[in-house]
Amino acid sequence: QKEVEQDPGPLSVPEGAIVSLNCTYSNSAFQYFMWYRQYSRKGPELLMYTYSSGNKEDGRFTAQVDKSSKYISLFIRDSQPSDSATYLCAMSRDSGNTPLVFGKGTRLSVIA
Amino acid sequence: IAGITQAPTSQILAAGRRMTLRCTQDMRHNAMYWYRQDLGLGLRLIHYSNTAGTTGKGEVPDGYSVSRANTDDFPLTLASAVPSQTSVYFCASSPGGFNTGELFFGEGSRLTVL
Repeated sequence: QKEVEQDPGPLSVPEGAIVSLNCTYSNSAFQYFMWYRQYSRKGPELLMYTYSSGNKEDGRFTAQVDKSSKYISLFIRDSQPSDSATYLCAMSRDSGNTPLVFGKGTRLSVIA
Repeated sequence: IAGITQAPTSQILAAGRRMTLRCTQDMRHNAMYWYRQDLGLGLRLIHYSNTAGTTGKGEVPDGYSVSRANTDDFPLTLASAVPSQTSVYFCASSPGGFNTGELFFGEGSRLTVL
């Protein structure tokens, strides 16, 4: 079993839809969880950063961590065509000592 | 605009040739990284540097070397390129130590080895 599993998609939704992107992981030691957004032919950029369990909201984006289920989610409300990108989850055991582990990314298309 | 500059943006290379991908950051970040991104395999760490003068191996270091002579520059060298090194290469940096907080990525270097 890979440390981080992420459905590659592609996921296609109509404009205005609520999007749910998910990752599962096997290492219960992970404590730091991130979502990166990568537009086509660009580098990834950090979208959300959370520590341990719980929710974090930033505008239309909500990151959710359920450590008991080893499951993290990114919700996008009122999705826009500009949200079309690949979304990568990433996580690490501790801050500063071990590498980030990335999911393979989910490609999202929001259709106008 | 501050950030990470990678060069070249794209390169076609004959197998067996030596190639250096350049990476420069102007954010005075301590840690720098090289990743390769391949379809179906995601981002994989090649080498990293926690601070100037130190380097370390990532998940897929074979065939690659790096140096960190100063804070700003972190070149990646392929001593003798092979077709399996065809990939998109991303340089990244972070302000703190190894993987603390946000990673800032460059725009990538697309390398094709024939």
